[in-house]
Amino acid sequence: AQKITQTQPGMFVQEKEAVTLDCTYDTSDQSYGLFWYKQPSSGEMIFLIYQGSYDEQNATEGRYSLNFQKARKSANLVISASQLGDSAMYFCAMRRPSGSARQLTFGSGTQLTVLP
Amino acid sequence: EPEVTQTPSHQVTQMGQEVILRCVPISNHLYFYWYRQILGQKVEFLVSFYNNEISEKSEIFDDQFSVERPDGSNFTLKIRSTKLEDSAMYFCATTSAYNEQFFGPGTRLTVL
Repeated sequence: AQKITQTQPGMFVQEKEAVTLDCTYDTSDQSYGLFWYKQPSSGEMIFLIYQGSYDEQNATEGRYSLNFQKARKSANLVISASQLGDSAMYFCAMRRPSGSARQLTFGSGTQLTVLP
Repeated sequence: EPEVTQTPSHQVTQMGQEVILRCVPISNHLYFYWYRQILGQKVEFLVSFYNNEISEKSEIFDDQFSVERPDGSNFTLKIRSTKLEDSAMYFCATTSAYNEQFFGPGTRLTVL
Protein backbone atom coordinates (compact mmCIF):
# COMPACT_ATOMS: atom_id res chain seq x y z
CA ALA A 1 0.00 0.00 0.00
CA GLN A 2 1.10 3.53 -0.67
CA LYS A 3 1.53 6.13 2.04
CA ILE A 4 2.27 9.85 1.93
CA THR A 5 3.54 11.68 5.01
CA GLN A 6 3.54 15.43 5.48
CA THR A 7 5.02 16.18 8.88
CA GLN A 8 4.43 19.93 8.93
CA PRO A 9 0.80 20.71 9.80
CA GLY A 10 1.55 24.44 9.59
CA MET A 11 4.32 26.63 8.18
CA PHE A 12 4.94 30.37 8.21
CA VAL A 13 7.11 32.27 5.74
CA GLN A 14 7.87 35.91 5.21
CA GLU A 15 6.73 37.41 1.92
CA LYS A 16 9.42 37.17 -0.78
CA GLU A 17 11.26 34.43 1.07
CA ALA A 18 11.55 30.83 -0.12
CA VAL A 19 9.86 27.97 1.75
CA THR A 20 10.16 24.18 1.59
CA LEU A 21 7.21 21.93 2.32
CA ASP A 22 8.19 18.38 3.20
CA CYS A 23 6.75 15.20 1.76
CA THR A 24 7.93 11.63 2.19
CA TYR A 25 6.34 8.59 0.64
CA ASP A 26 6.35 4.86 0.89
CA THR A 27 5.67 2.52 -1.99
CA SER A 28 6.82 -0.81 -3.36
CA ASP A 29 6.10 0.27 -6.94
CA GLN A 30 9.06 1.03 -9.19
CA SER A 31 7.09 3.43 -11.33
CA TYR A 32 4.97 6.12 -9.75
CA GLY A 33 4.09 9.78 -9.98
CA LEU A 34 4.27 12.50 -7.35
CA PHE A 35 2.05 15.57 -7.32
CA TRP A 36 1.56 18.73 -5.36
CA TYR A 37 -1.79 20.48 -5.13
CA LYS A 38 -2.73 23.81 -3.59
CA GLN A 39 -6.08 24.22 -1.82
CA PRO A 40 -6.96 27.83 -0.99
CA SER A 41 -9.66 28.67 1.52
CA SER A 42 -12.22 28.64 -1.30
CA GLY A 43 -11.75 24.86 -1.45
CA GLU A 44 -10.73 24.03 -5.00
CA MET A 45 -7.75 21.77 -5.72
CA ILE A 46 -5.17 23.43 -7.94
CA PHE A 47 -2.49 21.31 -9.60
CA LEU A 48 0.99 22.75 -9.09
CA ILE A 49 3.67 20.32 -10.20
CA TYR A 50 4.34 16.70 -11.18
CA GLN A 51 7.42 14.46 -10.87
CA GLY A 52 7.71 11.02 -12.43
CA SER A 53 9.76 8.43 -10.60
CA TYR A 54 11.98 7.91 -13.64
CA ASP A 55 12.47 11.61 -14.34
CA GLU A 56 16.13 12.40 -13.82
CA GLN A 57 15.68 16.12 -13.41
CA ASN A 58 13.70 17.82 -10.68
CA ALA A 59 10.45 19.29 -11.95
CA THR A 60 9.98 23.04 -12.06
CA GLU A 61 6.92 25.16 -12.81
CA GLY A 62 7.49 28.88 -12.43
CA ARG A 63 8.10 29.61 -8.74
CA TYR A 64 7.48 25.98 -7.81
CA SER A 65 10.14 23.30 -7.87
CA LEU A 66 10.12 19.77 -6.60
CA ASN A 67 13.19 18.53 -4.74
CA PHE A 68 13.00 14.83 -5.59
CA GLN A 69 15.32 12.50 -3.69
CA LYS A 70 14.38 9.01 -4.75
CA ALA A 71 16.70 7.11 -2.43
CA ARG A 72 15.29 9.00 0.55
CA LYS A 73 11.74 8.74 -0.81
CA SER A 74 11.17 12.43 -0.45
CA ALA A 75 9.48 14.93 -2.78
CA ASN A 76 9.65 18.32 -1.13
CA LEU A 77 7.98 21.35 -2.69
CA VAL A 78 10.01 24.54 -2.84
CA ILE A 79 8.19 27.83 -3.36
CA SER A 80 10.50 30.69 -4.20
CA ALA A 81 9.70 34.36 -3.63
CA SER A 82 6.56 33.69 -1.58
CA GLN A 83 3.51 35.86 -2.21
CA LEU A 84 0.54 36.59 0.04
CA GLY A 85 -1.62 34.63 -2.40
CA ASP A 86 0.42 31.51 -1.69
CA SER A 87 -1.27 31.21 1.71
CA ALA A 88 -3.20 27.94 1.41
CA MET A 89 -3.21 24.26 2.27
CA TYR A 90 -0.72 22.23 0.25
CA PHE A 91 -1.15 18.53 -0.41
CA CYS A 92 1.42 16.05 -1.64
CA ALA A 93 0.00 13.06 -3.52
CA MET A 94 1.20 9.88 -5.20
CA ARG A 95 -0.24 8.09 -8.17
CA ARG A 96 0.10 4.41 -8.81
CA PRO A 97 1.73 3.27 -12.06
CA SER A 98 0.16 2.87 -15.47
CA GLY A 99 -2.06 -0.17 -15.78
CA SER A 100 -3.70 0.48 -12.45
CA ALA A 101 -6.64 2.77 -11.79
CA ARG A 102 -4.15 5.61 -11.32
CA GLN A 103 -5.92 7.20 -8.38
CA LEU A 104 -4.09 9.58 -6.09
CA THR A 105 -3.18 8.95 -2.47
CA PHE A 106 -2.90 12.20 -0.53
CA GLY A 107 -0.94 13.32 2.49
CA SER A 108 -2.55 15.18 5.38
CA GLY A 109 -1.45 18.56 4.07
CA THR A 110 0.53 21.57 5.24
CA GLN A 111 -1.14 24.90 5.95
CA LEU A 112 1.16 27.63 4.65
CA THR A 113 0.77 31.20 5.85
CA VAL A 114 2.70 33.96 4.11
CA LEU A 115 3.34 36.94 6.36
CA PRO A 116 3.55 40.50 4.98
CA GLU B 1 -8.51 26.12 -20.89
CA PRO B 2 -10.71 23.04 -20.45
CA GLU B 3 -12.00 22.38 -16.96
CA VAL B 4 -13.99 19.91 -14.92
CA THR B 5 -17.32 21.25 -13.73
CA GLN B 6 -19.45 20.03 -10.85
CA THR B 7 -23.02 20.68 -9.79
CA PRO B 8 -24.37 21.63 -7.39
CA SER B 9 -21.73 23.62 -5.56
CA HIS B 10 -23.52 23.03 -2.27
CA GLN B 11 -26.14 20.42 -1.40
CA VAL B 12 -28.04 20.27 1.87
CA THR B 13 -30.05 17.13 2.55
CA GLN B 14 -31.80 15.29 5.33
CA MET B 15 -30.32 12.09 6.70
CA GLY B 16 -31.66 9.08 4.82
CA GLN B 17 -32.31 10.98 1.60
CA GLU B 18 -30.70 10.17 -1.73
CA VAL B 19 -28.37 12.64 -3.39
CA ILE B 20 -26.82 12.74 -6.83
CA LEU B 21 -23.67 14.73 -7.42
CA ARG B 22 -22.86 15.60 -11.00
CA CYS B 23 -19.61 16.13 -12.85
CA VAL B 24 -18.81 17.03 -16.43
CA PRO B 25 -15.33 15.73 -17.23
CA ILE B 26 -12.94 17.23 -19.73
CA SER B 27 -14.08 15.88 -23.07
CA ASN B 28 -11.12 13.78 -24.19
CA HIS B 29 -10.27 12.39 -20.78
CA LEU B 30 -10.48 8.67 -20.16
CA TYR B 31 -10.26 8.18 -16.40
CA PHE B 32 -12.75 9.60 -13.93
CA TYR B 33 -12.57 9.71 -10.16
CA TRP B 34 -14.51 10.72 -7.10
CA TYR B 35 -12.68 11.85 -3.98
CA ARG B 36 -14.01 12.97 -0.62
CA GLN B 37 -12.62 15.49 1.86
CA ILE B 38 -14.17 15.68 5.30
CA LEU B 39 -13.73 19.18 6.72
CA GLY B 40 -10.18 19.72 7.96
CA GLN B 41 -8.96 16.34 6.77
CA LYS B 42 -7.08 14.97 3.79
CA VAL B 43 -8.53 14.09 0.44
CA GLU B 44 -9.59 10.43 0.21
CA PHE B 45 -10.11 8.31 -2.89
CA LEU B 46 -13.58 6.85 -3.36
CA VAL B 47 -13.79 5.31 -6.81
CA SER B 48 -12.26 5.30 -10.27
CA PHE B 49 -14.13 4.76 -13.53
CA TYR B 50 -12.67 3.78 -16.87
CA ASN B 51 -14.23 2.43 -20.04
CA ASN B 52 -17.72 2.73 -18.56
CA GLU B 53 -17.07 0.64 -15.50
CA ILE B 54 -15.60 0.90 -12.04
CA SER B 55 -11.90 0.09 -12.16
CA GLU B 56 -11.16 0.43 -8.48
CA LYS B 57 -12.94 1.49 -5.29
CA SER B 58 -11.90 2.18 -1.73
CA GLU B 59 -13.39 0.69 1.42
CA ILE B 60 -15.31 3.94 1.88
CA PHE B 61 -17.25 3.21 -1.32
CA ASP B 62 -19.79 0.80 0.13
CA ASP B 63 -23.19 -0.31 -1.18
CA GLN B 64 -24.68 3.11 -0.45
CA PHE B 65 -22.57 4.62 -3.22
CA SER B 66 -22.86 4.18 -6.97
CA VAL B 67 -21.43 5.87 -10.03
CA GLU B 68 -22.52 6.03 -13.61
CA ARG B 69 -22.06 7.89 -16.84
CA PRO B 70 -25.67 8.09 -17.94
CA ASP B 71 -25.34 10.03 -21.17
CA GLY B 72 -21.70 9.78 -22.19
CA SER B 73 -20.86 13.20 -20.83
CA ASN B 74 -22.01 13.53 -17.21
CA PHE B 75 -20.37 11.43 -14.51
CA THR B 76 -22.49 11.04 -11.40
CA LEU B 77 -22.03 9.91 -7.82
CA LYS B 78 -25.17 8.72 -6.05
CA ILE B 79 -25.47 8.24 -2.32
CA ARG B 80 -28.61 6.18 -1.71
CA SER B 81 -29.34 6.90 1.95
CA THR B 82 -27.17 9.67 3.33
CA LYS B 83 -25.68 9.55 6.81
CA LEU B 84 -24.38 12.40 8.94
CA GLU B 85 -20.82 11.21 8.32
CA ASP B 86 -21.28 11.64 4.56
CA SER B 87 -21.02 15.40 5.09
CA ALA B 88 -17.90 16.40 3.16
CA MET B 89 -16.58 18.07 0.05
CA TYR B 90 -16.82 15.73 -2.92
CA PHE B 91 -14.38 16.25 -5.77
CA CYS B 92 -14.60 14.86 -9.25
CA ALA B 93 -11.29 14.49 -11.08
CA THR B 94 -10.39 13.41 -14.58
CA THR B 95 -7.24 12.57 -16.46
CA SER B 96 -6.15 11.61 -19.93
CA ALA B 97 -3.42 9.04 -20.39
CA TYR B 98 -0.94 11.63 -19.23
CA ASN B 99 0.09 13.03 -15.92
CA GLU B 100 -2.05 15.82 -14.59
CA GLN B 101 -5.24 14.94 -12.77
CA PHE B 102 -7.71 17.81 -13.09
CA PHE B 103 -10.04 18.44 -10.19
CA GLY B 104 -13.44 20.05 -10.32
CA PRO B 105 -14.38 22.81 -7.88
CA GLY B 106 -16.14 20.34 -5.58
CA THR B 107 -19.63 19.88 -4.16
CA ARG B 108 -20.05 20.57 -0.47
CA LEU B 109 -22.56 18.06 0.90
CA THR B 110 -24.19 18.81 4.23
CA VAL B 111 -26.33 16.08 5.80
CA LEU B 112 -28.66 17.23 8.55
